[in-house]
Amino acid sequence: GAVVSQHPSRVICKSGTSVKIECRSLDFQATTMFWYRQFPKKSLMLMATSNEGSKATYEQGVEKDKFLINHASLTLSTLTVTSAHPEDSSFYICSAIGLAGGLGYNEQFFGPGTRLTVL
Amino acid sequence: AQSVTQPDIHITVSEGASLELRCNYSYGATPYLFWYVQSPGQGLQLLLKYFSGDTLVQGIKGFEAEFKRSQSSFNLRKPSVHWSDAAEYFCAVGEYGNKLVFGAGTILRVKS
Repeated sequence: GAVVSQHPSRVICKSGTSVKIECRSLDFQATTMFWYRQFPKKSLMLMATSNEGSKATYEQGVEKDKFLINHASLTLSTLTVTSAHPEDSSFYICSAIGLAGGLGYNEQFFGPGTRLTVL
Repeated sequence: AQSVTQPDIHITVSEGASLELRCNYSYGATPYLFWYVQSPGQGLQLLLKYFSGDTLVQGIKGFEAEFKRSQSSFNLRKPSVHWSDAAEYFCAVGEYGNKLVFGAGTILRVKS
């Protein structure tokens, strides 16, 4: 099956620093990757859609200068939380879809998530 | 805009009992519907999906779901729950651009 990895799985940083989270599709090429944020006891909220070789599309209310997304290759997308603050602490999950669809909708494969804690 | 409602925040069932998790959606056209499961601190695993055809969909781990257009529902069922099924379950609808809109989730507790 399609496997998506995230690194790191857990990160703790000081307020004001930047943190980079990697999302990799291990056995398929991902034309599109999605970044979600999940608050405790809450659902997943889509932050942005990342297409290989182009700028990410951010959802309304998400600060693009705060959450920098780069999708430089068909197997890697990165999310950088810049000048992190405690309110950025959350569980960040990425997903990826492959090149082939076939049914008009492409299934997303999810990474295991990254727990960010900003002190 | 699409929306997904999962009316039950928490559900507790006894091991071996049957389970039904409710999901209602709001979508203008024929929806693509999904159920995912998330264990604590983990990502999401797809249980099953409905795109078209037979309205009763079989998934992994003994789960099934039934699409009822008249009720705008896609409820998840399992005839006999195991302790390992304790997790959070999310219903989702697919929308344009391959995006997913998730419900708020239902936390399942299994008591022995």
